[in-house]
Amino acid sequence: EPEVTQTPSHQVTQMGQEVILRCVPISNHLYFYWYRQILGQKVEFLVSFYNNEISEKSEIFDDQFSVERPDGSNFTLKIRSTKLEDSAMYFCASSEGGARPQHFGDGTRLSIL
Amino acid sequence: GENVEQHPSTLSVQEGDSAVIKCTYSDSASNYFPWYKQELGKRPQLIIDIRSNVGEKKDQRIAVTLNKTAKHFSLHITETQPEDSAVYFCAASKGDDKIIFGKGTRLHILP
Repeated sequence: EPEVTQTPSHQVTQMGQEVILRCVPISNHLYFYWYRQILGQKVEFLVSFYNNEISEKSEIFDDQFSVERPDGSNFTLKIRSTKLEDSAMYFCASSEGGARPQHFGDGTRLSIL
Repeated sequence: GENVEQHPSTLSVQEGDSAVIKCTYSDSASNYFPWYKQELGKRPQLIIDIRSNVGEKKDQRIAVTLNKTAKHFSLHITETQPEDSAVYFCAASKGDDKIIFGKGTRLHILP
């Protein structure tokens, strides 16, 4: 069964540095999402992406965040200047559209020192 | 804003008994309600979902019910097994929109 893949599995970064989290959505999927989960808490929506543009973003997704689909397969999340509170598990998800289920990747654990 | 409330936050049941998790949602335009199971350190995994034009759906030991009028939906797991121990999240969505998750229920299956 096809899966959403994310790299790296764990990223440790100094506060103030830039990080790029990478995702390869399922190949025939059209809708892409980033969520984050702070340890022990619920999964929170960050941003949705369709047709090469952001569809919706949450309050968390401020000017320090950006997303990009640089080619036909990758979907990236960039945090420009990381803060301690950005430490979390970041999940990428994708769906075919037509209100079909979102499938999640294994996540990237981001630790900001 | 949109909100999904989930209860209980922790649930312990004897192996073989049933477990019930209940959720409410605030946005009446929500029309898709997935349930995810998350084991420690793993991804949320879709276990069952229900759409607003259906009142109940069953898949083996798992069933979900939806009451659109009351904006309630619930997950029922029968004949619980040790491998059912995990955190379960209810969620609500509008079509291809973002998923709004509940805070999760940590389910412990006691031997």
